[in-house]
Amino acid sequence: ILNVEQSPQSLHVQEGDSTNFTCSFPSSNFYALHWYRWETAKSPEALFVMTLNGDEKKKGRISATLNTKEGYSYLYIKGSQPEDSATYLCAFLTGTASKLTFGTGTRLQVTL
Amino acid sequence: DGGITQSPKYLFRKEGQNVTLSCEQNLNHDAMYWYRQDPGQGLRLIYYSQIVNDFQKGDIAEGYSVSREKKESFPLTVTSAQKNPTAFYLCASSIGSGSPNEQYFGPGTRLTVT
Repeated sequence: ILNVEQSPQSLHVQEGDSTNFTCSFPSSNFYALHWYRWETAKSPEALFVMTLNGDEKKKGRISATLNTKEGYSYLYIKGSQPEDSATYLCAFLTGTASKLTFGTGTRLQVTL
Repeated sequence: DGGITQSPKYLFRKEGQNVTLSCEQNLNHDAMYWYRQDPGQGLRLIYYSQIVNDFQKGDIAEGYSVSREKKESFPLTVTSAQKNPTAFYLCASSIGSGSPNEQYFGPGTRLTVT
């Protein structure tokens, strides 16, 4: 079973703060890295699917980078808002598998 | 609206009973998945199906069974052989499992077995 690690486990920031999380994954046989946002009482929703080393993706105030050679991805949130409060999951797809391996998530809470 | 539905939202069963969780999608996706979430753990894959009439075991398939008779439907049966069935169960689908396409998730079913 592949090991995908996310840090920190939880994070509490003030509105307006910028923050970032880390996802670490095996650097061999990389195929894709997914980021999902999971708000309480809702379904997880995809933020980004990243496939190339050096990839940078952006959606509004949220962006992500990918380093496949060293096996990590960063998710950044600029100017956090209360609606950003959620659990952020990353998931790794190898070139030989048809299934995602998920990390345990980073739980973000943004307060006023 | 296209999406994935799971029913019911909450399910209660007595120990020793089999129970079937429903998952339906109208996204015309080929691949479907069942995950289980427990406190402090990531989503763990139970079973997945890449195409109708075909499915594969995931990382924690013991005590579960599935069928994929229709493209739209991928029901999960939690059997009495599953030692710790109480959990939150998520169903997902994607265009194809061999590609990096994102997965779309249902709202989940929380199963409690006493």
